[in-house]
Formats: sequence, structure tokens, C-alpha cells
Amino acid sequence: GAGVSQSPSNKVTEKGKDVELRCDPISGHTALYWYRQSLGQGLEFLIYFQGNSAPDKSGLPSDRFSAERTGGSVSTLTIQRTQQEDSAVYLCASSQIAGGTEAFFGQGTRLTVV
Amino acid sequence: TQLLEQSPQFLSIQEGENLTVYCNSSSVFSSLQWYRQEPGEGPVLLVTVVTGGEVKKLKRLTFQFGDARKDSSLHITAAQPGDTGLYLCAGVPLNTGNQFYFGTGTSLTVIP
Repeated sequence: GAGVSQSPSNKVTEKGKDVELRCDPISGHTALYWYRQSLGQGLEFLIYFQGNSAPDKSGLPSDRFSAERTGGSVSTLTIQRTQQEDSAVYLCASSQIAGGTEAFFGQGTRLTVV
Repeated sequence: TQLLEQSPQFLSIQEGENLTVYCNSSSVFSSLQWYRQEPGEGPVLLVTVVTGGEVKKLKRLTFQFGDARKDSSLHITAAQPGDTGLYLCAGVPLNTGNQFYFGTGTSLTVIP
């Protein structure tokens, strides 16, 4: 596709369940980022993938959060044993090479944990 | 600890007023970007400033990069309701790899 695609757009899950969020970056973009955003707030960095380098996982809030990027393209963010405080919009972005170039964002996945 | 601090965090003004949003850091950046995010959408790039002291204009929006490349400002003249949104600065600090850092955000509401 022409832009960054995220799925699902909305997800409601019960506390304690696992969820997987998917991001399809723009083809050819080597950098991929995941951010979390609470209502009306700024972006909280979660994880960064750059090419074949080891990902920067320094923003993951707990060991319940993990992410992978297969084949340098699609990425999946997994949250295990979800908690109510995990409720937020999860945004994915990709850029052509690395930071300093324009980051293109998906529309996000709104996660609600009930 | 946030690498990029924005102020104010929230701003509500009347249509036609002017405003300035600030983005500050103790780190030096090779470039800084400004994004605007509308409800239900991802952020969209407005401008990139690269040279210390650089000023860029985009219609009623004026962006400035500090001489020391540690800060930036966004000035909006005669704000319109269509300017409502979340404004985010972002950049990659020098000598810290390639991770993109976003500011804390400024939520702007322009009242008709």
C-alpha cells in the first residue's frame, strides 16, 4: 500500500488476555517505530527497528510487551496479560532510512482493556 | 526523562489570535521536525529545520531552529479553527544513534 497500515484499528480485550497489533510499513522503509499515546498526550517511545540491527527495546514498559519485525517488513507488537493501564492508542511509524528523515505514521490501533 | 520538552502543554485561544509553541532540549540535534496530529489520525510532518538559526514559513506558520540547535519554536499568526490539533516536535540527537525522539506535545484548540 501507499502508506503505513495498522490493524486492527480498534481492539477491545478483557484484562489478562494477550493481544497482537500489526504494522505494515511503507515498502522499502528500513526504520520502524512503535509508540504509545494516551488521550491528548504526546508519544511514548516503545521500540525501534533499523534494518538488520538489534532493535532498541529501551522504551518497552514491562516484560509483558514484546515486538518483532519479520523479514525487515511487517512488525507485530504483542502485549501479554493485558492490564487496564495498557489502554491507549498504539502508533506505528516508518521512515526511509533512519531518524532525521520524515516519519510516516499509521492511523493507530486503539486498545481498550476492560 | 523527556529529551524534548514542549510548552505550553495545552493552549486554548480565540480565532485570530497569535501563539507560539516552544520545544526545548539540553541536547543538540542535527535537525528538528514539527508534526501536527488531528484526532483519530497519526501525526503528519509540517516542516524540517536543519541549520542553526534557520527560519521557515508555511503560510501562517513560522518555524525557527535555535542557533545552538537545541530548541525550536512554532509561531502561528491569526490562528484558525483548522489549526486545532496536537503539535509535536521531533528529532535525532547528535551522537546517540538514529532513534527518533518526540516532544511531549502541545494540544491547541482554536475557538471560532
